[in-house]
Parts: sequence; C-alpha cells; structure tokens
Amino acid sequence: NAGVMQNPRHLVRRRGQEARLRCSPMKGHSHVYWYRQLPEEGLKFMVYLQKENIIDESGMPKERFSAEFPKEGPSILRIQQVVRGDSAAYFCASSPIQGPQETQYFGPGTRLLVL
Amino acid sequence: AQSVTQLGSHVSVSEGALVLLRCNYSSSVPPYLFWYVQYPNQGLQLLLKYTSAATLVKGINGFEAEFKKSETSFHLTKPSAHMSDAAEFFCAVSDVGATNKLIFGTGTLLAVQP
Repeated sequence: NAGVMQNPRHLVRRRGQEARLRCSPMKGHSHVYWYRQLPEEGLKFMVYLQKENIIDESGMPKERFSAEFPKEGPSILRIQQVVRGDSAAYFCASSPIQGPQETQYFGPGTRLLVL
Repeated sequence: AQSVTQLGSHVSVSEGALVLLRCNYSSSVPPYLFWYVQYPNQGLQLLLKYTSAATLVKGINGFEAEFKKSETSFHLTKPSAHMSDAAEFFCAVSDVGATNKLIFGTGTLLAVQP
C-alpha cells in the first residue's frame, strides 16, 4: 500500500510565477490536509478537504492561494504570483476517516523555493 | 483554543543516554496528542499517539510517552539513544472542532553525540 505521494519534491519558481503542488492520498483515504512549514518553524495548518469539498480553509492566505480535491485525481495546492515569503516546505496528510484520534499520514513534502 | 509548547528547540544527548523531549499542552477538553518525527528532507512519521486508552503510550523505535493530566504534559522518552534517533520531533494536539486539524509545537531538534 503506497503512502501519501507528493510531487514535485522540489520546485523552484521566480517571483510572480505560479506554483502547483500535487498530493495523492493513501488508497482509501478521502480526507486531505495541507500544512506549511516555514524555515525553523513547526507545521501550520492551511486547508482541509474532502472529495470535491473544501471543509476548512481558515489557515490559508486569502489571496493567491487555492486548493482543490477533485473527484478524480490528486489534491492540488495552487499558489499564484509567488513571492519570496512563500518559500517553505508544503506537506500533505491524509486520513481514512475524520476524528480527533485518527492518525494523519504525511507525504514527503514539496520544498518550494522562490527566487 | 488548544496549543502545545515544546520546551527546548535543541537537545543534545550522548549515545546510550536517556532521551527526554518535553511537551506541554493546553486544552479545555480531553486532548488527543501525537508525537511525530521528521528526518532530514523527509515527511513526518507518527511515533505514537494518546487517545485516552492508556496514559503510558508505547511507540515505534523504542520511544514512549506518558500523559499526565495534572501537569498537562506529554513528554517523550527513550531509555537509550541511538545515532539513528537524530531528527526533529514534533508534538501535536488534535483540534476537536469540526476539522480535527493538527496543531503543532515548534519542534525539538535532537542531536546524538557518539
């Protein structure tokens, strides 16, 4: 059973470009969380999605950031017009059901560098 | 609001010595607590979790943690450190609201000296 897959693992963008980060949850998992890890900080929640629905995007910046989890295919985190402050590691996690005791399984992350 | 605090951003121990990584939580409801480990340039791997079944929780790689309500603590320990334990460790609490997102501490970087 493959784990959570994320691609690309590393992404370099120039200021003003778009970044698309992909996350394929574990098989059978319909709950996806995105977290951001800024240099020398812990992970911060960004958005929580179920298939075709955004449930909670309270941690996501209001502008330039969007997320989706279509019926078919991976979850996508999209950052438009990137700025240097967007440089970070972005992690996706999935779980089979929702619940406070449920384990979230993390992918290897996408490390975004904005030049 | 729930939160966790990890005391000590860097901890260094000798190989074979006791590992103690501290985590204190704040929660108005019984918490669900997690310890994750992150090796360089990798994702997070679950070490163990507390879900109220038992206060002493055993995890992978010889780690364990004890939930102490009176001290609002969930410290991580390992009796004897190995070089391979060098990594960053994160304590987290599950948000018991509608989303159950994880709220992480700032992490503790563990160095193991030969």
